[in-house]
Amino acid sequence: SQTIHQWPATLVQPVGSPLSLECTVEGTSNPNLYWYRQAAGRGLQLLFYSVGIGQISSEVPQNLSASRPQDRQFILSSKKLLLSDSGFYLCAWGVAGVYEQYFGPGTRLTVT
Amino acid sequence: AQKVTQAQTEISVVEKEDVTLDCVYETRDTTYYLFWYKQPPSGELVFLIRRNSFDEQNEISGRYSWNFQKSTSSFNFTITASQVVDSAVYFCALSEFSGFGNEKLTFGTGTRLTIIP
Repeated sequence: SQTIHQWPATLVQPVGSPLSLECTVEGTSNPNLYWYRQAAGRGLQLLFYSVGIGQISSEVPQNLSASRPQDRQFILSSKKLLLSDSGFYLCAWGVAGVYEQYFGPGTRLTVT
Repeated sequence: AQKVTQAQTEISVVEKEDVTLDCVYETRDTTYYLFWYKQPPSGELVFLIRRNSFDEQNEISGRYSWNFQKSTSSFNFTITASQVVDSAVYFCALSEFSGFGNEKLTFGTGTRLTIIP
């Protein structure tokens, strides 16, 4: 069966520091991968998605970037965090042509 | 552009009552998919159901049922005999059929459901 992992689970970082969140999927090949952000009490905002290694599409211009160095690994990064980057970050995977997505446990990021 | 509206921000019901969560969507496509996800306090989104735009049959799964009506662009979710474990935020989502490589979801803002014991 498929499993999706995210780490770290929680993170507290000062403004201006770098960020690296990692997501890995097991049990499937060539998944679509997605990064979402959920601000407190709000809905989900799609940040990036990827249909293959090195292929990244950005949905929202911002302080963040994403990379997919391996088939089942998706990384969310920032060179300098802003207060507005605080939130709950969720990684998800899906199968091409099948529209439902399956979510990881999330990373709660607090920028101080 | 596609849009999903969940007008109910928060709902509280007493345990064992039935509750319906509303979802209204907008899309220009004739082929699309609708979803419901559950987000318990732990934070992880749990996939509940997908419906295709060409299949308007209602679906029942245990205490859960879904009513899809294209005429009113609605995809409502009913929990029968609610339980405390049903307490969560529920999200409705929409995906237009846009070919391989573009399978993206548009989420509503969610409805926080609290079941009072």
